[in-house]
Amino acid sequence: QQPVQSPQAVILREGEDAVINCSSSKALYSVHWYRQKHGEAPVFLMILLKGGEQKGHDKISASFNEKKQQSSLYLTASQLSYSGTYFCGTEDRGKGGKLIFGQGTELSVKP
Amino acid sequence: GAVVSQHPSWVICKSGTSVKIECRSLDFQATTMFWYRQFPKQSLMLMATSNEGSKATYEQGVEKDKFLINHASLTLSTLTVTSAHPEDSSFYICSARRGTSGTDTQYFGPGTRLTVL
Repeated sequence: QQPVQSPQAVILREGEDAVINCSSSKALYSVHWYRQKHGEAPVFLMILLKGGEQKGHDKISASFNEKKQQSSLYLTASQLSYSGTYFCGTEDRGKGGKLIFGQGTELSVKP
Repeated sequence: GAVVSQHPSWVICKSGTSVKIECRSLDFQATTMFWYRQFPKQSLMLMATSNEGSKATYEQGVEKDKFLINHASLTLSTLTVTSAHPEDSSFYICSARRGTSGTDTQYFGPGTRLTVL
């Protein structure tokens, strides 16, 4: 079942914050976050495995709620380099561990 | 970090010809490789899962005779688009994973843009 991302698109000024959500009607086994710039490969950001988990690197962090049905990606004090499309992927347990990706959130950071 | 390469980066071919795309894990052994297709402004759609030494597992709706996948070694998987047609034009991306668990990180290649005339 494909996770649902929101918003579909967001425009920010440099220095502003953003939140991208990834949700499902069923519990997610894990959530993988990626950022893809136009015409390039998706780049791995982080993975969350446990309900209630939070982790981050620099000014990008993510959380996984207790019920494991929603994950949020937090972008703090956004930089121009944060622009791109963000995808969450969820593991399809029992099917070789393949990932099913959400539809993506396009983030544009303006000067 | 883990590096995955793809070759070629782009290819233009005539309708009816076959095209081979290579995916290599450069600094790790990939037990599993995945092939995705991505249309403009759309999500990554999984085409097939490939495990070294065994037949690929195709997603529903993907023609296995049209998209031939070979995972010959722990560092190389190939996707051959046979008898390509304009509707096959797309961005093809591979990813590689060290282990077999869904919690292992997938590392993506840079993608191959296929244009069929």
